[in-house]
Amino acid sequence: DQQVKQNSPSLSVQEGRISILNCDYTNSMFDYFLWYKKYPAEGPTFLISISSIKDKNEDGRFTVFLNKSAKHLSLHIVPSQPGDSAVYFCAASAWGGSQGNLIFGKGTKLSVKP
Amino acid sequence: DTGVSQNPRHKITKRGQNVTFRCDPISEHNRLYWYRQTLGQGPEFLTYFQNEAQLEKSRLLSDRFSAERPKGSFSTLEIQRTEQGDSAMYLCASSRLARGHQETQYFGPGTRLLVL
Repeated sequence: DQQVKQNSPSLSVQEGRISILNCDYTNSMFDYFLWYKKYPAEGPTFLISISSIKDKNEDGRFTVFLNKSAKHLSLHIVPSQPGDSAVYFCAASAWGGSQGNLIFGKGTKLSVKP
Repeated sequence: DTGVSQNPRHKITKRGQNVTFRCDPISEHNRLYWYRQTLGQGPEFLTYFQNEAQLEKSRLLSDRFSAERPKGSFSTLEIQRTEQGDSAMYLCASSRLARGHQETQYFGPGTRLLVL
C-alpha cells in the first residue's frame, strides 16, 4: 500500500514556463513533507520542505503548497530552466521528521525543453 | 565539501559473495539512515542510527544484511551471500535531530551494486 503517490511518471515543460509536480498521501500522521531532486547516478538533493502547520513555503523559484484536507501537495518551479530536468521525489514523515524514516513516492521525471 | 560521502560508488560482485559499503555522514549529524533504491522506485528505508544505537530496521532488511555505526560517526552496511535481487542503489543519509526543529535528511551520492 503506497502511502505517498506521485501519479505522473513524467512531465515536459517549456523553458521559462511553470512546472507543477503533484504528490498525494494517505497517512494522516504525516506532518512534514520534503521534495528532493535527483540526477542520474547521484543521490537525492534536498530542495524544499513544508510543515503541516503551513500551507505554503517558498524558496527562490521553488514553492511548495500543502492542502491537508485533500492530503495533497505540489511543487511549483517558476520559471523552469533546462537545468531543472531531473527526477523529483516527494517524501513524507511523521512527528516533524523525528519519526525516522522518510516515505518516498516513485518520482516524476521533469524535462524542461529550451 | 562536507556533505555525506559513500564508498565505493560502484560495486560489481558475483552471487554469493559478501560486500560492505561505507557511509560518512555530515559531521555533527547524530542520525544516519540507509535506503535502497531500485529502478522506477523511490528510496526505500532500510535502517537508521541515532548516534551509535540502531533504532529501527525495515522488514526489507533480511538477516543477510547488517549495519553498524560503532562510534556514532561513519557507518557500514554489509550484505552477506549476495543475491541478484540485491542489485540496487544503496543510499545513505544523515540528519541532526534537534528539539523543536524539523529534521531534514541529506543524502550521499549512493553506492550502485550489481550482483551477477
